[in-house]
Amino acid sequence: GDSVTQMEGPVTLSEEAFLTINCTYTATGYPSLFWYVQYPGEGLQLLLKATKADDKGSNKGFEATYRKETTSFHLEKGSVQVSDSAVYFCALGNSGYALNFGKGTSLLVTP
Amino acid sequence: DTAVSQTPKYLVTQMGNDKSIKCEQNLGHDTMYWYKQDSKKFLKIMFSYNNKELIINETVPNRFSPKSPDKAHLNLHINSLELGDSAVYFCASSQDLTVNQPQHFGDGTRLSIL
Repeated sequence: GDSVTQMEGPVTLSEEAFLTINCTYTATGYPSLFWYVQYPGEGLQLLLKATKADDKGSNKGFEATYRKETTSFHLEKGSVQVSDSAVYFCALGNSGYALNFGKGTSLLVTP
Repeated sequence: DTAVSQTPKYLVTQMGNDKSIKCEQNLGHDTMYWYKQDSKKFLKIMFSYNNKELIINETVPNRFSPKSPDKAHLNLHINSLELGDSAVYFCASSQDLTVNQPQHFGDGTRLSIL
C-alpha cells in the first residue's frame, strides 16, 4: 500500500539556518503530495502542494519539488525564523481518498 | 468565520463514559474526515464521508460511530471510553474526493480519559 517516510526529528536549527526535511513515498499511480504544518495547540494547515512530477510547490519561503524518479518531496527553506518552529507533515493523496501522512518532523528554531 | 470548527476543544472524562465530538465546516465542501493523532503526533484516518455517505471506515472499534446529518456536519460519538482512546481527534474537510484537493483541518479535540 501507499506510505510516506519522513526524517526523524526533532530538528533544532539556529535562526537564519537552511532547512531541509526529507520525505520519500511509495505509491501506485499518480499521487498528489502535500506538506502540512502544525503549530503548537493548533490543527494542521496546508503549507504547499504538488500534483504532478516536477511540480514545485512554494509558500512562505518554503519549497518542495515532486521528484518521481527518486520518489521524494523534500521540504526546504533558505532561512528559518523562530516562528517556523512547528511540526511538519508530509502527506500523499491517492485513490484511497484520505491523506496518508508521514510521522511528522518537529522543528525548533532558536534565536 | 472559522472554516472547520470542532467542539469541544478539550474533553476530560472517565473510563466507560459515552461522549460526542461535533464538527462543522462552512466551506461548502462535499467531503469530511475524522483523524486520530496519538501522543507521538502520528495521524491516522478513521472515517471519511462524502455527501453524507460513508466512504472510508478504517479498522476502528465499533464503539466509534460517526454521524453526518448533512454535508456540513460530521459528528463522532464514542461509547464506553477506554484509556487508549486518549488522543487528539481532528476533523477535516475537502472540496471533494479528487486526490489533488487539500484538506482543511479543525483545531482538534483533546480527549483525556481518567
